[in-house]
Amino acid sequence: GAVVSQHPSWVICKSGTSVKIECRSLDFQATTMFWYRQFPKQSLMLMATSNEGSKATYEQGVEKDKFLINHASLTLSTLTVTSAHPEDSSFYICSARDLQVGNTIYFGEGSWLTVV
Amino acid sequence: SQKIEQNSEALNIQEGKTATLTCNYTNYSPAYLQWYRQDPGRGPVFLLLIRENEKEKRKERLKVTFDTTLKQSLFHITASQPADSATYLCALDIGGTSYGKLTFGQGTILTVHP
Repeated sequence: GAVVSQHPSWVICKSGTSVKIECRSLDFQATTMFWYRQFPKQSLMLMATSNEGSKATYEQGVEKDKFLINHASLTLSTLTVTSAHPEDSSFYICSARDLQVGNTIYFGEGSWLTVV
Repeated sequence: SQKIEQNSEALNIQEGKTATLTCNYTNYSPAYLQWYRQDPGRGPVFLLLIRENEKEKRKERLKVTFDTTLKQSLFHITASQPADSATYLCALDIGGTSYGKLTFGQGTILTVHP
């Protein structure tokens, strides 16, 4: 079945550095992908909608200059956390929409980010 | 303001019983309501989707109801098993060009005891 892959699964970075997380749709094309953040014991909060070939749409309160999203191909969206701080430590999850299979939404396995 | 509430943070039941989880929402007009399962440290896994004009949907041991008047969805797992233990999330989707842009409830942690 359709799979959405995230890489890396977990990453530790130093405060002030940038880290990139990839979200790939493995066997379908996704013109739209979504990025969520989940803090411990909380639910998923939508950060932004990633559109292939155009700028991402960010939710209120999410800094677009801090969380850079690039959706350069139909199978890949990337989220770059710039100048990371410890409060950015979280579980980042992407999802992708498969238009060919009844608009089914598939989620990635998530990426754990720890900023030290 | 828009709000989604899953009425129990945690639910404990005995194996073989039916688990019933509730999702209520206010100030939303969702086109779709979805239920997901999330295991610790993993991404959500899609279970069922129900449309605004549907009352009930079933899939194997799972059943979802959707009452747009009450603004409520019930999620049932019949003949529950310890392997059903997980966090269950409801999610609303207003559909249209925003389809796939989900707003999640806080989740209910289900524990099925053998």
